[in-house]
Formats: sequence, C-alpha cells, structure tokens
Amino acid sequence: DAMVIQNPRYQVTQFGKPVTLSCSQTLNHNVMYWYQQKSSQAPKLLFHYYDKDFNNEADTPDNFQSRRPNTSFCFLDIRSPGLGDAAMYLCATCSGRTTTDTQYFGPGTRLTVL
Amino acid sequence: AQSVAQPEDQVNVAEGNPLTVKCTYSVSGNPYLFWYVQYPNRGLQFLLKYITGDNLVKGSYGFEAEFNKSQTSFHLKKPSALVSDSALYFCAVAWYGGATNKLIFGTGTLLAVQP
Repeated sequence: DAMVIQNPRYQVTQFGKPVTLSCSQTLNHNVMYWYQQKSSQAPKLLFHYYDKDFNNEADTPDNFQSRRPNTSFCFLDIRSPGLGDAAMYLCATCSGRTTTDTQYFGPGTRLTVL
Repeated sequence: AQSVAQPEDQVNVAEGNPLTVKCTYSVSGNPYLFWYVQYPNRGLQFLLKYITGDNLVKGSYGFEAEFNKSQTSFHLKKPSALVSDSALYFCAVAWYGGATNKLIFGTGTLLAVQP
C-alpha cells in the first residue's frame, strides 16, 4: 500500500546531540511537510518542500533544518536539541496538483531529549 | 487571517449515542475544511474534507460533517458512537500558501466514548 513512513518511531537523544528524523513516501507526491506536535496540541508546521523548493515558516528556529535528496525521502535535522524540542514530529505529503489536495500523514516520530 | 476554532476540549458520549464534535472557521475567500483523527502515539488520519458542492460530506468510519456557511461551521458527526472512536479530533482549514496548501489546525477535541 502507498504510504508515508517515518523512522524511527521513537528517538531518544541527549541535550545538544544532533539528531536526524527520516520520512519516506511511496505516493510519489510533490510536497512533503514537517510538523511539530507537543502533548496533544495542534500540529505546528515547521517547513515544507514543493519538489526541491524549500519553504521555511517564519517562526521555525534555525536549529531545525531539512533535506530532501529525492522525491521519496525527506529528513528533519535538529542540530542542537534542547529540552523544549521534545515532541512528536509528523511528516505529511500531498500531491500538490491542486490547492485543495489532502495531506497524508505518517505515524510520527516521538523525540525524547535527556 | 485564516483560523479555525474547536470550542470543546473534550466531548463525552455513551456508546451507541450520536456524537458531534464542533468546529467553526474564519477565512477570507472560499473555505476548504478538513477533519483528521489522531489515536495515541500515531499520526493524523484523514477523515473527510469539504471543498465545494453538497454541504453534507461523508467520510471514513461512518463519520460525516455538515458545512454551514451562514454559521461558519463544519461540525463532525456520527449517528452511533463506538468505543473505538475515542481519539483526538482536529479540524483544519487549508489556505493557498504560495505553491501549495497549508493547513491551519484547531486545538483539537478529545472524544471519549463510554461503553
């Protein structure tokens, strides 16, 4: 089945130790999004890619970076995780063909910072 | 600015009873509205969306939502609740953020269905 896959599902890192979260998709969608969600709050958009074009949200900290080496994969890099970065990180995709496309989410990666 | 509100943090309903999860929106232009459900430690699952046309939208798992333009609402409904429907529900509005859409989420409503 076509889907959005996130690895790992649970990630533990130490304060200040760089960490990379992975997202892959078999939907062949043009757009990939990264969201941060803290304790049952609404997901907050960090950035998205339309194909290779990177779009950062104005309030996303510089500590968060992203890479999209090809259509299928997108990575979220947290350069120096702080305790406040502990959250669920959600990847989503949409086709990008129309402005009303549905976004499809992966299962998320729960990040713990010690 | 686009926004969406979910006025209830939690909704409690008995199994077999109808359920309603409320959502109101504020948009400039045509509203594109979505409902997602999130189970514990999982991602968001798409339930349904309203783009245009019939005000009653049917979605997954027996859920439906009614778009009401005059009341700027998009309430989620189900005729008969199941215990397995217990989860966190998010309403969202899409807007055209440049090259593609962005979703603005409500704060979420926790649905608890008692057996």
